[in-house]
Amino acid sequence: AQSVTQPDIHITVSEGASLELRCNYSYGATPYLFWYVQSPGQGLQLLLKYFSGDTLVQGIKGFEAEFKRSQSSFNLRKPSVHWSDAAEYFCAVGSNNAGNMLTFGGGTRLMVKP
Amino acid sequence: DGGITQSPKYLFRKEGQNVTLSCEQNLNHDAMYWYRQDPGQGLRLIYYSQIVNDFQKGDIAEGYSVSREKKESFPLTVTSAQKNPTAFYLCASSIGQGWGTEAFFGQGTRLTVV
Repeated sequence: AQSVTQPDIHITVSEGASLELRCNYSYGATPYLFWYVQSPGQGLQLLLKYFSGDTLVQGIKGFEAEFKRSQSSFNLRKPSVHWSDAAEYFCAVGSNNAGNMLTFGGGTRLMVKP
Repeated sequence: DGGITQSPKYLFRKEGQNVTLSCEQNLNHDAMYWYRQDPGQGLRLIYYSQIVNDFQKGDIAEGYSVSREKKESFPLTVTSAQKNPTAFYLCASSIGQGWGTEAFFGQGTRLTVV
């Protein structure tokens, strides 16, 4: 069965500092990987996705993620965090079992210090 | 604008009552999903539907029921058999079968059972 682990439940960074959110997945074949962001009380918005090709993926709001097959990781990065980036971030892996099934990690809550 | 609409945003019910959460999409998507979100547990799949008049149980279907009579609509009923119904419920849709396609989310319904 596929699974996603986000080791950090909470992360606090200072505004302007760099950010890296970790994501490790378990999947038997080549995964389709996603990062979503959720503001409090809101739905999820897609930041970026990896299907194939270049392992460094660019997304919206200045985010990027790198797929590393050898480490089963898909970490999310941003060079300079803004206060508006405070939110919860979810990594997800796609399934080929039945339709488009996404398995989500437990999420990482990002807090940004002024 | 195309998107997914969940209503209501907040819902309060007494214990033992059934309650139905609405989810409507105008994206012409074939597949629709219901997720439950609890603090620190990420998103868990309740039910999904890949086509009209067909749906399958997800990981935590007990105590829930759904219908898919129209492509645009996928209502979720939380029955009195659900032992811990207080949660944030998210509806999503995607183009259809074939993993890797992006899921679009509604803004969620927060259900509180007292």
